[in-house]
Amino acid sequence: QVQLVQSGGEVKKPGASVKVSCRASGYIFKDYGIGWVRQAPGQGLEWMAWFSGYNGNINYAQKFQGRLTMTTDTSTNTAYMDLRSLRADDTAVYFCARRTVVEGDWYFDVWGRGTLVTVSS
Amino acid sequence: QSALTQEASVSGTVGQKVTLSCSGNNNNIGSYAVGWYQQISHGPPKAVMFGNSLPSGIPDRFSGSKSGTTASLTITGLQPEDEADYYCSTWDYSLRAQVFGGGTKLTVL
Repeated sequence: QVQLVQSGGEVKKPGASVKVSCRASGYIFKDYGIGWVRQAPGQGLEWMAWFSGYNGNINYAQKFQGRLTMTTDTSTNTAYMDLRSLRADDTAVYFCARRTVVEGDWYFDVWGRGTLVTVSS
Repeated sequence: QSALTQEASVSGTVGQKVTLSCSGNNNNIGSYAVGWYQQISHGPPKAVMFGNSLPSGIPDRFSGSKSGTTASLTITGLQPEDEADYYCSTWDYSLRAQVFGGGTKLTVL
């Protein structure tokens, strides 16, 4: 079945970087996009970036421009999210999700279980 | 502040029909279809509606619609397992961002 398996939780100090992985299985990786969405404690969902399987473009939320890099490795069917210059308010659960098209519109149809990133001195 | 506005909370009894709304503008809901995502106890979100299409495995008591700049998710015949947070989401071409609503907490009484 289609699965997205994320790497384990991380604890980082302010100013450090974190790299979270998302390994896909059960489908042809290059035929779909991958997105990253985070959720701070007690808060709602916040989109960060997505990679288009259609044309290879990567789109970042303006809030994270310059601090976030999303990459993919098609040899291992894995997507990565690299967030730099971490602050306390980056403490959140980070989800990856498969991006698919339904009747011409794009949605996240399968989600990973999430990776808790804690930023604390 | 979210680009999409949802009710903070909605409640209903088992078997009842409830409708959750998601309000935006012409830059987002007025131009694109809306996805709905269910999140139970802060676990991973689960897609329950793609526009007005049901994802595979989602019961047909869920339905989606849109009128102008407001989208709705209707649950007909509410079940205890439907208790969750629900988020709407779509693309906003002015913000050049995938936007989410603030979420609605659905309580089944």
